[in-house]
Amino acid sequence: KNEVEQSPQNLTAQEGEFITINCSYSVGISALHWLQQHPGGGIVSLFMLSSGKKKHGRLIATINIQEKHSSLHITASHPRDSAVYICAVGRGSQGNLIFGKGTKLSVKP
Amino acid sequence: DTGVSQDPRHKITKRGQNVTFRCDPISEHNRLYWYRQTLGQGPEFLTYFQNEAQLEKSRLLSDRFSAERPKGSFSTLEIQRTEQGDSAMYLCASSTRLARRTDTQYFGPGTRLTVL
Repeated sequence: KNEVEQSPQNLTAQEGEFITINCSYSVGISALHWLQQHPGGGIVSLFMLSSGKKKHGRLIATINIQEKHSSLHITASHPRDSAVYICAVGRGSQGNLIFGKGTKLSVKP
Repeated sequence: DTGVSQDPRHKITKRGQNVTFRCDPISEHNRLYWYRQTLGQGPEFLTYFQNEAQLEKSRLLSDRFSAERPKGSFSTLEIQRTEQGDSAMYLCASSTRLARRTDTQYFGPGTRLTVL
């Protein structure tokens, strides 16, 4: 079993829909990261959080430390949100991240 | 552009050849990471440096792989005697370590390696 699990693996939505991507982890963490990867490989960090909730524009990330679970929400989805969304966890002083396999999101106009 | 840069962006080589990749991190970042990503998978950790010291290596990093960061700035990743299984995207990231916490990692565009 992977230390970081994401669901769903693939997600197709219509423009305007509310989207939720889930991440569960089985190890102790210092922080959880949500990343976005577009075709061609470039990875952009969206959020780093260790508790509670963060919001940037239409993106919202939440984390429940007790349940070892995080969600990434996209409100009013748009075709430009189409990308792979990756959950990753950091484990304190080690610094390196452990990644989930990613969720491929496709938003249709 | 002051982001993380990687060179080359693409590399095609024949099995058995040696290849070397370079990563230039954001200038004030003291931590540098190498990851490998195969198709349809999330990235996997290979190794990381704090300044010039290599602090951790994954067991994925066989003895054919070596990484250096000689002056605590740019880093190189060399793969000797490449195998077809080495075909992947090699990603570099950098960050600033804040005491006892991980900081946001900034990723480069990656080097896509194809071993024929």
